[in-house]
Amino acid sequence: SAVISQKPSRDICQRGTSLTIQCQVDSQVTMMFWYRQQPGQSLTLIATANQGSEATYESGFVIDKFPISRPNLTFSTLTVSNMSPEDSSIYLCSVRRSTNEQYFGPGTRLTVT
Amino acid sequence: QQQVKQSPQSLIVQKGGISIINCAYENTAFDYFPWYQQFPGKGPALLIAIRPDVSEKKEGRFTISFNKSAKQFSLHIMDSQPGDSATYFCAASGTGGFKTIFGAGTRLFVKA
Repeated sequence: SAVISQKPSRDICQRGTSLTIQCQVDSQVTMMFWYRQQPGQSLTLIATANQGSEATYESGFVIDKFPISRPNLTFSTLTVSNMSPEDSSIYLCSVRRSTNEQYFGPGTRLTVT
Repeated sequence: QQQVKQSPQSLIVQKGGISIINCAYENTAFDYFPWYQQFPGKGPALLIAIRPDVSEKKEGRFTISFNKSAKQFSLHIMDSQPGDSATYFCAASGTGGFKTIFGAGTRLFVKA
């Protein structure tokens, strides 16, 4: 398994500001992801956080809006930039083992006012 | 195709009953099929998973049935309890860099 922690667990932010979410894993993992989950909806992949190189973004998500850092194999950050109310959501960090088992952090609940 | 279709969208079951959630996939390259359980305010938790070389996997009250020819798999929760009330997501992924594809989710409510 994997123990994943995220900070902050929730935040209320003003429009136009930025928030950086931290993800810490208890062991080294190659594959780390960031997801977004709207209330009552499924999981939407934002990007794959690559260690030592630029993140790989999914269609509809861009680096300027969601810059990601992955300085090592146990840590990553996701920044939500220039926020608008439409960015209000739950942001989840996830890791995937070579056996395909995938684990999720507890999530960061973001509200933009 | 990369979709995983999940049904029903919501499910109400009496305590002690069997909850059944179904999923169907299209990409035959998928070779790993997990189910996740998510409680409100929490991240999804890996519940049980199956690979296509077996037709059934059981862990406690949770069983996955897998039909490779029909490209379908289902989660059965035996003796459902109110504590099982949560949202359940099926998913599919594979080796070779396949991204995990999630179903739309099923809200299960177990009546006491």
